[in-house]
Amino acid sequence: GENVEQHPSTLSVQEGDSAVIKCTYSDSASNYFPWYKQELGKGPQLIIDIRSNVGEKKDQRIAVTLNKTAKHFSLHITETQPEDSAVYFCATGVNTGNQFYFGTGTSLTVIP
Amino acid sequence: ETGVTQTPRHLVMGMTNKKSLKCEQHLGHNAMYWYKQSAKKPLELMFVYNFKEQTENNSVPSRFSPECPNSSHLFLHLHTLQPEDSALYLCASSQGAGSYEQYFGPGTRLTVT
Repeated sequence: GENVEQHPSTLSVQEGDSAVIKCTYSDSASNYFPWYKQELGKGPQLIIDIRSNVGEKKDQRIAVTLNKTAKHFSLHITETQPEDSAVYFCATGVNTGNQFYFGTGTSLTVIP
Repeated sequence: ETGVTQTPRHLVMGMTNKKSLKCEQHLGHNAMYWYKQSAKKPLELMFVYNFKEQTENNSVPSRFSPECPNSSHLFLHLHTLQPEDSALYLCASSQGAGSYEQYFGPGTRLTVT
């Protein structure tokens, strides 16, 4: 089965700096890569996703890059703000499958 | 609000109790999921229902019993749980199973004493 590794487990940045979270996966059949943000007391919420036919996707201050050859993908948050503080999860999925495989999460703290 | 509600938000139960968790989605989705979230571990998929039919059961102990009476409602019936079952139980829904965006509810924080 799929094995998703996520690093770092905790990350602290100064407000305005960039944050990068990386994930690697093992199953070459994986072709869908979402990122979720989970705030305290809430369920995870999708913030951006990418499919395997695309190498990079950007939405305002967040971007995701995918390297299918190396089997890794990354989340980039620029100009971080205190409200970006949360736990971020990467995941992988397969078009024909029924489930996602999640990473262990990164707790991001943005220091004002 | 994601359109997925869960009740109760918190539950404390003894090992001999029977309780149920409820999930409801107002998004017109066809697939619903139960996940277990424990500290320092990845989200663990427990069950998947697609068009009310169970399509995945990831080796979940029989003390957890899901029920999906229609595409909008999902239950998780609990009985004779163990302390290690204490966790946040998340429900999610998506348009279909597979690589569709999943919308999560806020979860039920379960404590087994």
